[in-house]
Amino acid sequence: DTGVSQNPRHKITKRGQNVTFRCDPISEHNRLYWYRQTLGQGPEFLTYFQNEAQLEKSRLLSDRFSAERPKGSFSTLEIQRTEQGDSAMYLCASSPGTGVSSYEQYFGPGTRLTVT
Amino acid sequence: LAKTTQPISMDSYEGQEVNITCSHNNIATNDYITWYQQFPSQGPRFIIQGYKTKVTNEVASLFIPADRKSSTLSLPRVSLSDTAVYYCLLEGGATNKLIFGTGTLLAVQP
Repeated sequence: DTGVSQNPRHKITKRGQNVTFRCDPISEHNRLYWYRQTLGQGPEFLTYFQNEAQLEKSRLLSDRFSAERPKGSFSTLEIQRTEQGDSAMYLCASSPGTGVSSYEQYFGPGTRLTVT
Repeated sequence: LAKTTQPISMDSYEGQEVNITCSHNNIATNDYITWYQQFPSQGPRFIIQGYKTKVTNEVASLFIPADRKSSTLSLPRVSLSDTAVYYCLLEGGATNKLIFGTGTLLAVQP
């Protein structure tokens, strides 16, 4: 299976700790997106990359959040000084970025974060 | 921000055809309409994408009228495993439109 993978699948942390999530997109997909989803709501856009360039960040992404995509392959999302309100499912998606299917997003299984 | 509007929930029975409509009055010229399916504790799964008229693939059809201000996802002969949340999304490169909303919870009963 060469789909989008995310690690870890689950993370429990104490308030104030830092956490980092990893996303491996589908090979050769130029675009990579991060979303956050809470129970009963649809995914909320956080940020996206075109290759290694981070082109947009949502206002939802506070200064405690940072994302990187070195070399335009995998991406990491770090949350510093976690708060209970950060508890959510963090989803990663990738899309080709070019061609007929350029905007079709393929999602990973998500990382569920619980902040205690 | 561009917004899509869908019914919160729909009920159906196995074997029936289900049509879910999404309104998107602020659609832009370069926007594509995409539908996703999501099961609990999983990431959304791409179903179908279209720009205008009708698109059909192995799992669904997408109907888009000429003004493109709405779209209808058609699921032929649903089964219990089609019980999920369905989202429509406008995608054209502008991330301010990547708003999933609350989606439509489709409940299929035997």
